[in-house]
Amino acid sequence: SSDLTQDPAVSVALGQTVRITCQGNSLRSYFATWYQQRPGQAPLLLIYGKNNRPSGIPDRFSGSTSGNTASLTITGAQAEDEADYYCYSRDSSYDDWVFGGGTKLTVL
Amino acid sequence: QVQLAQSGPEVKKPGASVRVSCEISGDTFFNYAVSWVRQAPGRGLEWMGWVSPYHGETKYAKKFQGRVTLTTDTSTTIAYMDLRALTSDDTAVYFCARGTDSSFYFYMDVWGRGTTVTVSS
Repeated sequence: SSDLTQDPAVSVALGQTVRITCQGNSLRSYFATWYQQRPGQAPLLLIYGKNNRPSGIPDRFSGSTSGNTASLTITGAQAEDEADYYCYSRDSSYDDWVFGGGTKLTVL
Repeated sequence: QVQLAQSGPEVKKPGASVRVSCEISGDTFFNYAVSWVRQAPGRGLEWMGWVSPYHGETKYAKKFQGRVTLTTDTSTTIAYMDLRALTSDDTAVYFCARGTDSSFYFYMDVWGRGTTVTVSS
């Protein structure tokens, strides 16, 4: 089990909006960082802090938090967004850092 | 342009140790932490710990404490991950990444390509 809980799989129609969530008590105090990982590749940083995107990340990716739930929203999903998405933040003891279990996004 | 170049694949027997290296170029080595993350086949990402080249400070995930050592060589700008007492559960791709610690979040923005470690008798 993980201190950060993600839905294992989510699907979205091409061009539509999808929200990928990450739940954990630590998210009331710490921001989630979001990563995208395509098969056979290293993770790619998407969102960090309140809602910061590194240079080169499209603005269709955004992050938010409400209570104990962090969300990654993709507005206008593209075929190339089909990948695994991971959140990352503190564990429930506030001592370690942990990844969520990951969400596999399918773009239909 | 910052690059993290990792060492090549390793095959180890159970009980052995492995060292994975991560050479950082194109950056100020002391300004960031070096994090290590692994991914077992078909599984999710697992944070192992980080090391600060500036302080020499380390932080290990509880799961790996006592079995992993993270170090840096400031003269060569290479970071190392040593993992001992290997079992088949340690078969994974091991990534190094440049890390930045803020008060309320930690992020890893530049990643190595990963090193495959296979543990098999």
